[in-house]
Amino acid sequence: NAGVTQTPKFQVLKTGQSMTLQCAQDMNHNSMYWYRQDPGMGLRLIYYSASEGTTDKGEVPNGYNVSRLNKREFSLRLESAAPSQTSVYFCASSEARNIQYFGAGTRLSVL
Amino acid sequence: DQQVKQNSPSLSVQEGRISILNCDYTNSMFDYFLWYKKYPAEGPTFLISISSIKDKNEDGRFTVFLNKSAKHLSLHIVPSQPGDSAVYFCAASEGGSYIPTFGRGTSLIVHP
Repeated sequence: NAGVTQTPKFQVLKTGQSMTLQCAQDMNHNSMYWYRQDPGMGLRLIYYSASEGTTDKGEVPNGYNVSRLNKREFSLRLESAAPSQTSVYFCASSEARNIQYFGAGTRLSVL
Repeated sequence: DQQVKQNSPSLSVQEGRISILNCDYTNSMFDYFLWYKKYPAEGPTFLISISSIKDKNEDGRFTVFLNKSAKHLSLHIVPSQPGDSAVYFCAASEGGSYIPTFGRGTSLIVHP
């Protein structure tokens, strides 16, 4: 049982480059989320998708876009990467109230 | 303003002793609380939760206590083991929301 799978695990970008972080879950969960984790800042919600076909902004959405491709997949896109987006990104999914299952993370550096 | 606060960034405990991790919240509408554990280079994993209708929930070595009047919850680990060394996140949500608010985490180190 793979759970939540994130790709890539590591990425280095130059300022201004774009990229898409991929996330897929095999637990048939309705809700999916993207978080970023920065030192001393905990987990901050970027975007979430309550169900297939819907997406909503979280606490820190600026500079990001998302796509809920289907029930399994939820991608996060950086159109023009900035050094401030250097972070570790986590995707999560949930069904039962609030218990989220997280992927292993994508470590992104923007130079 | 942080609605969920973990005021101790780190905690060091001897193996076999009790670890107590604390969490305070400001939103009186929060009615469901969770603890997640995170090892380096891994995603957080759910550890234990508690509903506001309870004041205690126990799962093996882990117990969460909720004091609603003080808007405070704590996670007790007894006995602590070196494998418990990780970052622990407190999270809270309100009503029908499925979006928890996370604290900034406490790094627990259990020394052999």
